[in-house]
Amino acid sequence: GESVGLHLPTLSVQEGDNSIINCAYSNSASDYFIWYKQESGKGPQFIIDIRSNMDKRQGQRVTVLLNKTVKHLSLQIAATQPGDSAVYFCAENLLDKLIFGSGTRLLVRP
Amino acid sequence: DAGITQSPRHKVTETGTPVTLRCHQTENHRYMYWYRQDPGHGLRLIHYSYGVKDTDKGEVSDGYSVSRSKTEDFLLTLESATSSQTSVYFCAISVGGAMNTGELFFGEGSRLTVL
Repeated sequence: GESVGLHLPTLSVQEGDNSIINCAYSNSASDYFIWYKQESGKGPQFIIDIRSNMDKRQGQRVTVLLNKTVKHLSLQIAATQPGDSAVYFCAENLLDKLIFGSGTRLLVRP
Repeated sequence: DAGITQSPRHKVTETGTPVTLRCHQTENHRYMYWYRQDPGHGLRLIHYSYGVKDTDKGEVSDGYSVSRSKTEDFLLTLESATSSQTSVYFCAISVGGAMNTGELFFGEGSRLTVL
């Protein structure tokens, strides 16, 4: 079946640099996309979302970009901090169901 | 944290025994969900509820049942646990009030090990 996937299972960045986490989705009918952050031993935490009628949305230090032409979603984190170390999931909303990707681990080097 | 409490947080059981996980919320949200999380699979929806006594299946519902007799409680039951049900189970509520808002708040998870 169709699913959400991730290009890089682990991303290592230097503290202070910008991070980019990528996600590919396969269903063009998906109308809503979300990024979640999960720290070790905790439940996923909502970061930012974007609807399919947008191509960019900004939050505090985070930006989500949506490219519907190539079915690609990315999460950009500015000035990455140690507290950003976590697993990041993208999810797509398809027919009122959220489908999660398998996650990318972000490691922040001091 | 949207007032979600899961219990038990950790449980070890044997194959064939029944197990019930409880999700309790304090904010009267209508939509509640049970997910399981396994390495390489991300989060997969087991069952969800859109009101008292209103539930429906998710993508991995086989071997699981749910009940919601009160707004605040959503129970997940494994009638006869199997080793393939060893997982971390997360309860979530939809803060936006509808299923497709995506802004889910998750509990802290319940780690179940079936020997």
